[in-house]
Amino acid sequence: EIVMTQSPATVSVSPGEGATLSCRASQPIFSSLAWYQHQPGQAPRLLIYGASTRATGIPDRFSGSGSGTDFTLTITSLQSEDSAVYYCQQYHNWPPYTFGQGTKLEIK
Amino acid sequence: EVQLVGSGGGLVQPGRSLRLSCAASGVKFDDYAMHWVRQVPGKGLEWVSGINWNGDTVGYAESVKGRFTISRDNAKTSLYLQMNSLRLEDTGLYFCAKDRVRFLGPNWFDSWGRGTQVTVSS
Repeated sequence: EIVMTQSPATVSVSPGEGATLSCRASQPIFSSLAWYQHQPGQAPRLLIYGASTRATGIPDRFSGSGSGTDFTLTITSLQSEDSAVYYCQQYHNWPPYTFGQGTKLEIK
Repeated sequence: EVQLVGSGGGLVQPGRSLRLSCAASGVKFDDYAMHWVRQVPGKGLEWVSGINWNGDTVGYAESVKGRFTISRDNAKTSLYLQMNSLRLEDTGLYFCAKDRVRFLGPNWFDSWGRGTQVTVSS
């Protein structure tokens, strides 16, 4: 099973600033990585797939990069509605599909 | 717009059973594989089970294999998860999620429901 490790666990930033979230796979997964945003009480939302392709309707403030074992989600011009937990998921080696433990993004 | 509405969660004692349902709308249900994913307190998201478009291929996490059964009824555009022999560690928020294609494979999940809470406690 591929273990996904996200860092940091929590990040707090001011509106208008940017944030960089990291995700590391325990073995190479090429570009088989997705990012999701989950706000409390809401359905998780797909942000990025293929490590760097934005899903339909996702603003270009969200960008993904990386391949192999190290991946990054970058969010620019942070807004209050970006406050959420962000998860990465690998789908290269399944079952099981595996997720990171999440990074909680707080907007000050 | 795709809508996935989960139901059937609740408080249940260890060893008992529960059946979750997920009603889909706004999508041609039988064109897609479907999944159950749970959010376990303090542990993030965990994939539980997946099923292909017609139900003849399924997959399970090791932690639920032999206890949980996934199924679907395409005529009712609904997904199910029969959970037997429930354990304390099965407690969590259970989401249904839509795959992007018909078959289980190296895919991501492009639509999710809001989740239904399952609490296993004596």
